[in-house]
Amino acid sequence: NAGVTQTPKFQVLKTGQSMTLQCAQDMNHNSMYWYRQDPGMGLRLIYYSASEGTTDKGEVPNGYNVSRLNKREFSLRLESAAPSQTSVYFCASSGYQADRRSNYGYTFGSGTRLTVV
Amino acid sequence: QKEVEQNSGPLSVPEGAIASLNCTYSDRVSQSFFWYRQYSGKSPELIMSIYSNGDKEDGRFTAQLNKASQYVSLLIRDSQPSDSATYLCAENTGGFKTIFGAGTRLFVKA
Repeated sequence: NAGVTQTPKFQVLKTGQSMTLQCAQDMNHNSMYWYRQDPGMGLRLIYYSASEGTTDKGEVPNGYNVSRLNKREFSLRLESAAPSQTSVYFCASSGYQADRRSNYGYTFGSGTRLTVV
Repeated sequence: QKEVEQNSGPLSVPEGAIASLNCTYSDRVSQSFFWYRQYSGKSPELIMSIYSNGDKEDGRFTAQLNKASQYVSLLIRDSQPSDSATYLCAENTGGFKTIFGAGTRLFVKA
């Protein structure tokens, strides 16, 4: 089925460990995004990639890095995990409407539930 | 700071009733608005997009946009227990960034 695939679904890290969250989409979308979702705070944008070869910071980029490997894949790396990074992480992809200067609605992956102890 | 505000709820409605979910936004230049449904433990799913003032209907769902008052709403007619979820309002502020509200929890009583 077409969509956005995220791995892993669950992860427990110790403080200071590193890990990479993987995301791949087969919808031929140019734009890809990483969000985190915390209780009561909604979805907050970490990084996004408007197109292959470009990445930009979102609202909460500190402590994260990203790589747009190709049009399909966009990974998120935590170099030194901290308890404050305990969250649910969602990858999303979207097309872009140039006439409205806006993306279309997102297609989300199933999420990664990360706990940092 | 651009914001999207939603009442966290829970909003409780009986089965068959109309559920009305509301959202206000702060950025006057926003052009695109979206409603997502998120079941507990699942990822958000796009259910409606709206770009112009007025109403947009899709099945049992109607999105309403009033740019002068900076609010967007979602009506769910003939609510079903399967509609029980958190509904996220989102706005695109121009370009590639979309800002989400914290969501309203809806509970439909059978």
